[in-house]
Amino acid sequence: GQNIDQPTEMTATEGAIVQINCTYQTSGFNGLFWYQQHAGEAPTFLSYNVLDGLEEKGRFSSFLSRSKGYSYLLLKELQMKDSASYLCAVRDKDSGNTPLVFGKGTRLSVIA
Amino acid sequence: AAGVIQSPRHLIKEKRETATLKCYPIPRHDTVYWYQQGPGQDPQFLISFYEKMQSDKGSIPDRFSAQQFSDYHSELNMSSLELGDSALYFCASSILPGLAGEVDGTDTQYFGPGTRLTVL
Repeated sequence: GQNIDQPTEMTATEGAIVQINCTYQTSGFNGLFWYQQHAGEAPTFLSYNVLDGLEEKGRFSSFLSRSKGYSYLLLKELQMKDSASYLCAVRDKDSGNTPLVFGKGTRLSVIA
Repeated sequence: AAGVIQSPRHLIKEKRETATLKCYPIPRHDTVYWYQQGPGQDPQFLISFYEKMQSDKGSIPDRFSAQQFSDYHSELNMSSLELGDSALYFCASSILPGLAGEVDGTDTQYFGPGTRLTVL
């Protein structure tokens, strides 16, 4: 079966750095995505990894190790508006335009 | 940039009624996905269409059906509504890498604002 694990909740201080981990066990793999979701709103795309290594996009970075089934999302210079749920999602079929399997999300609270 | 459009944004129905949700993908995107997200839950895949043909099927109940039309918009039809169908319904769209108009070459799914369905 498909299994994607991430911590349920995290709290971090404004201006700090936080790392949200994600481990996955899926039947196939064709990319891992991170989305940000504010309550009641749509998931917003943050980053994508398909090869091992680090992808950096401004204050956000994402890392992937396919051999370990592991990814993390790194958020730097935290702002209050970063308080949201962060969803790790895997495309588990070996082709494009296929559905995503989501983790349960990590609810991040940024405090002053 | 144009985004995914969904309508209606909110819908209230009684048990056993029917509902139709609409999704208009980002222009030139060829694949549409439907997801259901219950309160405090992660999005669950329902069904997807590529070039107007069903491409993948997830946990969509038999009471639901969907289709994609010639203009690439998609509709999710829900019948015999149950209380447990109350959720946010998201539509997402993507385009296969290598095709003209792709945003970033990764077949990333971009989500619409969702339809909040409440069944009373």
